[in-house]
Amino acid sequence: QKEVEQNSGPLSVPEGAIASLNCTYSDRGSQSFFWYRQYSGKSPELIMFIYSNGDKEDGRFTAQLNKASQYVSLLIRDSQPSDSATYLCAVWGGSQGNLIFGKGTKLSVKP
Amino acid sequence: DAGITQSPRHKVTETGTPVTLRCHQTENHRYMYWYRQDPGHGLRLIHYSYGVKDTDKGEVSDGYSVSRSKTEDFLLTLESATSSQTSVYFCAISKTSGASTGELFFGEGSRLTVL
Repeated sequence: QKEVEQNSGPLSVPEGAIASLNCTYSDRGSQSFFWYRQYSGKSPELIMFIYSNGDKEDGRFTAQLNKASQYVSLLIRDSQPSDSATYLCAVWGGSQGNLIFGKGTKLSVKP
Repeated sequence: DAGITQSPRHKVTETGTPVTLRCHQTENHRYMYWYRQDPGHGLRLIHYSYGVKDTDKGEVSDGYSVSRSKTEDFLLTLESATSSQTSVYFCAISKTSGASTGELFFGEGSRLTVL
């Protein structure tokens, strides 16, 4: 059974701080890694994806991938109250229908 | 805006009744998906489609069927709804031209309550 694990939180950070969200996965053959943001009562929206080991930066967001450790993370710099949401990690194993979502980490950014 | 419309957005039904949820896209993308989201379980794939009349099962397909007779429409049917199918259902599309890699765009969701 392929699994994607996330700490459910809630993770609480003060405004302006760095929020660090973590995700581990069980399938060593996984190829692509995604972070989705989901506001309460809304649908998930894709915010970052990463395919190669290392860091990928997009504005205030940085995705980090370590395939050897089967670990992917999302850093949010200068966190804003509008970043308060549930963040879903998703891992694609290389075939159709093989996108596994974690249960999500709820982030709360306090003003 | 990913051009995805789900209907109905909310539905309350009784155990044993059939229910059909519709997903409509305006951009003619090849890959479409149905997920359900439940507390404690996250998003789980029910069925997906890779073209007209081409569908396959996902992780939690029991009790569900799908049909795709047109590129733009992907229907999810619960032949005889049960309380365990109370959930929020999301339709998603992949905009990639090749094999979908997980970059999905979701509809607004359909909240189904089975009494």
